[in-house]
Amino acid sequence: EAGVVQSPRYKIIEKKQPVAFWCNPISGHNTLYWYLQNLGQGPELLIRYENEEAVDDSQLPKDRFSAERLKGVDSTLKIQPAELGDSAVYLCASSLGTATLNEQFFGPGTRLTVL
Amino acid sequence: GQQLNQSPQSMFIQEGEDVSMNCTSSSIFNTWLWYKQEPGEGPVLLIALYKAGELTSNGRLTAQFGITRKDSFLNISASIPSDVGIYFCAGQLGNNRKLIWGLGTSLAVNP
Repeated sequence: EAGVVQSPRYKIIEKKQPVAFWCNPISGHNTLYWYLQNLGQGPELLIRYENEEAVDDSQLPKDRFSAERLKGVDSTLKIQPAELGDSAVYLCASSLGTATLNEQFFGPGTRLTVL
Repeated sequence: GQQLNQSPQSMFIQEGEDVSMNCTSSSIFNTWLWYKQEPGEGPVLLIALYKAGELTSNGRLTAQFGITRKDSFLNISASIPSDVGIYFCAGQLGNNRKLIWGLGTSLAVNP
């Protein structure tokens, strides 16, 4: 079974430029998560989708960040414009989404460097 | 945001030694998950715990869900060089699927 796929693996951009990350979750997983991970820290949730619906986006900086999951499968996270402080690893995870079984499986992440 | 207290922050051990790390919280969790993260990769799920007092093994790894539901332990027996990485605990409050994460325990193994 294929795991969570993310692309690109690395991205280097200049500040004020836009950037987008793509995630394909594990087949059959209806819950998808985007996390941000800074060096030496645990993952921090940005947004959680149940199928196409964003059910928790309270930690997403909506002035510059946006996300979509149009058909309830793949998802895209966008930053526009990027700032220096956005340099981090952006992780995508998926789970079956039942309330009592919340085993989240992560992709390899996209390492973003903003110059 | 809210985080778990995970300790130790780092460990440097000799190959063959046993390792123990733990996470504690002031909140009651109904799920504990232990992950391992290697450089350049996402966290990989090692063990999931769903019941207070539960003791679960995965090869040389053993984790326990504390009786008080406020803590969890991960033990690694007979460590080997490929155990190197950062180990994270994550807990789930109630039926909210949001995970609360520890800051990680960095493990180094000297061959």
